[in-house]
Amino acid sequence: AQSVTQLGSHVSVSEGALVLLRCNYSSSVPPYLFWYVQYPNQGLQLLLKYTSAATLVKGINGFEAEFKKSETSFHLTKPSAHMSDAAEYFCAVSVGDMRFGAGTRLTVKP
Amino acid sequence: NAGVTQTPKFRVLKTGQSMTLLCAQDMNHEYMYWYRQDPGMGLRLIHYSVGEGTTAKGEVPDGYNVSRLKKQNFLLGLESAAPSQTSVYFCASSFGTSGGLNTGELFFGEGSRLTVL
Repeated sequence: AQSVTQLGSHVSVSEGALVLLRCNYSSSVPPYLFWYVQYPNQGLQLLLKYTSAATLVKGINGFEAEFKKSETSFHLTKPSAHMSDAAEYFCAVSVGDMRFGAGTRLTVKP
Repeated sequence: NAGVTQTPKFRVLKTGQSMTLLCAQDMNHEYMYWYRQDPGMGLRLIHYSVGEGTTAKGEVPDGYNVSRLKKQNFLLGLESAAPSQTSVYFCASSFGTSGGLNTGELFFGEGSRLTVL
């Protein structure tokens, strides 16, 4: 069965610094990969998705992720953090139904 | 356009009581899902449905039942609530799959917070 592992349950960065949230996946077939964001007391919203068209995927709010098959990774990055990026981020893999990682809470310090 | 609507948003139950969470979507999506979210565990799939009249088990189905009598509605039932079912429950929907893979975005409701005492 497919699964994802998010490294680091909590990441803290300063405003303007690079954001890097790590995700590794396990799948027996080529997967579809997703990053979702959850703001407090809300449901999840799609940030971006990888569906095999291009390995570097650009999403909303300046986020992007790169699919690396050799490393089974799909890390999320943003060059310059903004206070409004503070939220919880979930990586997900789909081979049939969709499975989510445990989440990474991003804190942005002023 | 309401999207995915969950009711109720909050509920407190006593152990052994029953209840039903209702999810309604107005996007004509084929697929609907129920997840539970617990601290440090992300979202875990309880049950899902690939169309009206069909349901299937997810990762953590025990203690829950579901029904999809109408395409736009997906009900999650707890017959005899237990403290371990204290959680935030999310309903989601999507257009469906392509070649057996879920390639589509999931649209989520705002969640239903359930406490079982």
